[in-house]
Amino acid sequence: NAGVTQTPKFQVLKTGQSMTLQCAQDMNHEYMSWYRQDPGMGLRLIHYSVGAGITDQGEVPNGYNVSRSTTEDFPLRLLSAAPSQTSVYFCASSYRQGGYGYTFGSGTRLTVV
Amino acid sequence: QQQVKQSPQSLIVQKGGISIINCAYENTAFDYFPWYQQFPGKGPALLIAIRPDVSEKKEGRFTISFNKSAKQFSLHIMDSQPGDSATYFCAASRNDYKLSFGAGTTVTVRA
Repeated sequence: NAGVTQTPKFQVLKTGQSMTLQCAQDMNHEYMSWYRQDPGMGLRLIHYSVGAGITDQGEVPNGYNVSRSTTEDFPLRLLSAAPSQTSVYFCASSYRQGGYGYTFGSGTRLTVV
Repeated sequence: QQQVKQSPQSLIVQKGGISIINCAYENTAFDYFPWYQQFPGKGPALLIAIRPDVSEKKEGRFTISFNKSAKQFSLHIMDSQPGDSATYFCAASRNDYKLSFGAGTTVTVRA
């Protein structure tokens, strides 16, 4: 099925550990983004990419790195996990500029202890 | 600082009733206003969207009302059903790839 696939669905990390959240889409969308969802704060943009090799920071980028080597994949790296990064992470992709046609993955629930 | 303010945080409505969620924004450069619906354990999914050149858009039981001068827009869910129980997010975008989301409203429809 076409869409955005995120792995893993759940993850528990210890403070200071690193990990990569995977995101892949098979719709040939140029735009991909990572959001985090926290209670009472909606979804906040972490990083985004407008095409392979092009990434930029969003609203809350600190503590996260991204790269975009292919159109399909957009992994999110946590360099040294902190309890403040406990959240639900969503990857999304879009086919055009202007916020249209966003497709979200099903999310990764991350707990940092 | 959220660019889109959403209220209420939660609401409970009886089956068949009307649910109303309100959003306000400050940035007049926003030109696309979508609403997303999210069920527990799932990602948000686009429900309905509007551009500022129209004042109302209706799709089935869901209606967006838009007031450009007041910089406000709202979602009305008519004849609310238990299957509408979800979290709803308003959002806004300029002519770029980024969406700014409201804080979300949890809607519970009682049978």
